[in-house]
Amino acid sequence: QSVLTQPPSVSGAPGQTVTISCTASSYYIGADYGINWYQHFPGSAPKLLIYGNSNRPSAVPDRFSGSKSGTSASLAITGLQADDEADYYCQAFDTRLSGLVVFGGGTKLTVL
Amino acid sequence: QVSLKESGPVLVKPTETLTLTCTVSGFSLNSPRMGVSWIRQPPGKALEWLAYMFSSGEKSYNVSLKTRLNISKDSSASRVVLTMANVDPVDTGTYFCARIDPEGLLDFWGQGTLVAVSS
Repeated sequence: QSVLTQPPSVSGAPGQTVTISCTASSYYIGADYGINWYQHFPGSAPKLLIYGNSNRPSAVPDRFSGSKSGTSASLAITGLQADDEADYYCQAFDTRLSGLVVFGGGTKLTVL
Repeated sequence: QVSLKESGPVLVKPTETLTLTCTVSGFSLNSPRMGVSWIRQPPGKALEWLAYMFSSGEKSYNVSLKTRLNISKDSSASRVVLTMANVDPVDTGTYFCARIDPEGLLDFWGQGTLVAVSS
């Protein structure tokens, strides 16, 4: 069981907005440096989408946004496009014990 | 620009030791606050973090795999090596290396290398 819990799947129609949740099992998970999000197309390298809860690398479209409240983080994708169909993972750094990297179980986004 | 590339055997027999190499370019493994992490993905399953190592020599391992893993770096050749002892078919999957910063952010990833464990 992952310390970061994500829904296994979400779906939406083109143009819609979808939200993917990521709930930490403890307040300490992601408390120091926030939650990061990655987009992964099978067979390719995962890509950083959001870091520190809500910061976006310059090359990532502003259709992707992140937020966090308490132990729950969210990734929102607005104006859904067919090529957004991928797996999305949240990730955090648990600094309590020798700095352990933790991933959520991943969410498969299907564009209908 | 920053680039990472994994290499290693395609097929390993059960009980053998798997050795994977991550060759980096665009940054130095000797630079402060720079590190490399290994992550794997079994077929049809989620990403699983394995280990990381920073330029300072600081290392950390996945608790459940700690006794089987060893990470080291060869700074002169810009390589980070991960060994996994006593492999089992459940270790089959794609193995990725990624650059990691001191806040645990994995900002650049390699394409991954597929490893099968089978007799």
